[in-house]
Amino acid sequence: AQKITQTQPGMFVQEKEAVTLDCTYDTSDPSYGLFWYKQPSSGEMIFLIYQGSYDQQNATEGRYSLNFQKARKSANLVISASQLGDSAMYFCAMRVTNAGNMLTFGGGTRLMVKP
Amino acid sequence: AAGVIQSPRHLIKEKRETATLKCYPIPRHDTVYWYQQGPGQDPQFLISFYEKMQSDKGSIPDRFSAQQFSDYHSELNMSSLELGDSALYFCASRAGGTLRGGELFFGEGSRLTVL
Repeated sequence: AQKITQTQPGMFVQEKEAVTLDCTYDTSDPSYGLFWYKQPSSGEMIFLIYQGSYDQQNATEGRYSLNFQKARKSANLVISASQLGDSAMYFCAMRVTNAGNMLTFGGGTRLMVKP
Repeated sequence: AAGVIQSPRHLIKEKRETATLKCYPIPRHDTVYWYQQGPGQDPQFLISFYEKMQSDKGSIPDRFSAQQFSDYHSELNMSSLELGDSALYFCASRAGGTLRGGELFFGEGSRLTVL
């Protein structure tokens, strides 16, 4: 069975600073993908970044980067230069290729950016 | 670019009534997933379809059923509604076999309130 753990229920960050949201995962399958989604108060689920288990380099998408440490089974999201609009719920999720391809989500981290 | 379309966006029902949610995936996406997100919870996988056939089943109650039609749109039918069914229901789609590992694109969700 797959499991995603986000140990930070809530976090504050000062505007323009960087912040790291933690995510650890557990799977015995060698082929998997890791995703981060942002969910603002309006409810929609916005895709941010993806890392495949065989990718050699850490994924980056604009201000988002994924610190992928395979041996530690962690996939932390780093947001640089935080903006007020980054305040939202952030979900880490995993998709295992040989387990139906559905996403398993972590419990989420609520990020609040302070002006 | 066209996104995943869900309807209705908001729905209010009484206990024991039925409800139907619709999902129109991104064109040429052949795989559809349904998720249920209760208040303050992470999204839970309900069911998925690939090429109009059910591919995986998660924590979907027996009172719920779903199908994918020939045009790839999907409907989630919920009967004998209970208060605990109040949630945000997400549909997501992907193209099978995508090299990137099948990024899921989410709709904006349908918020069901059961009174």
